Amino acid sequence: LAKTTQPISMDSYEGQEVNITCSHNNIATNDYITWYQQFPSQGPRFIIQGYKTKVTNEVASLFIPADRKSSTLSLPRVSLSDTAVYYCLFSLTGGYNKLIFGAGTRLAVHP
Amino acid sequence: GAVVSQHPSRVICKSGTSVKIECRSLDFQATTMFWYRQFPKQSLMLMATSNEGSKATYEQGVEKDKFLINHASLTLSTLTVASAHPEDSSFYICSARARTDTTNEKLFFGSGTQLSVL
Repeated sequence: LAKTTQPISMDSYEGQEVNITCSHNNIATNDYITWYQQFPSQGPRFIIQGYKTKVTNEVASLFIPADRKSSTLSLPRVSLSDTAVYYCLFSLTGGYNKLIFGAGTRLAVHP
Repeated sequence: GAVVSQHPSRVICKSGTSVKIECRSLDFQATTMFWYRQFPKQSLMLMATSNEGSKATYEQGVEKDKFLINHASLTLSTLTVASAHPEDSSFYICSARARTDTTNEKLFFGSGTQLSVL
């Protein structure tokens, strides 16, 4: 299964834009890139998913270059409540077998 | 999005007790559910894949006689920790995949169960 590499931790301040990059050099052709957010003692929450170029929803944007060997999650104007662990993962179209979590990025937003 | 309900949220039990955790997909049918465990400040570790109507598939190193999985219906999977010991204390999370649009499936997670074995 494709392995992901993310920064272990990041710090930011309220109101700033935060970009978290994930490297996935051996991503397969059929893999989608999915990002999840996890708060302490809670299950992960789906944030955004994409295959290539740019995807935007009400929460975040996801930038994927043409070679798809990396992806960047962009959180606009973070607040204290965005302090969490963020994971990038892969999911196959039409029924993947399992989802393996990497170490994730622990984001701390300061006042 | 799809909702996955996990119960109980917290269990404290004595060593040797068996503990059952339920995972339900509330507004969709889940032919496949996944069980993870997570230790403090660590990532989620996949334990097993639960398939409706068939035996679960366990990851390497996970004892199937210790972690009993039953997926009897399209909306319910259960994880039973048999004869729990302190080293089984962990945060257990279930998830189910659902297709919420025409493009791709996503995984939706339960809120987790904190198991503490005394």
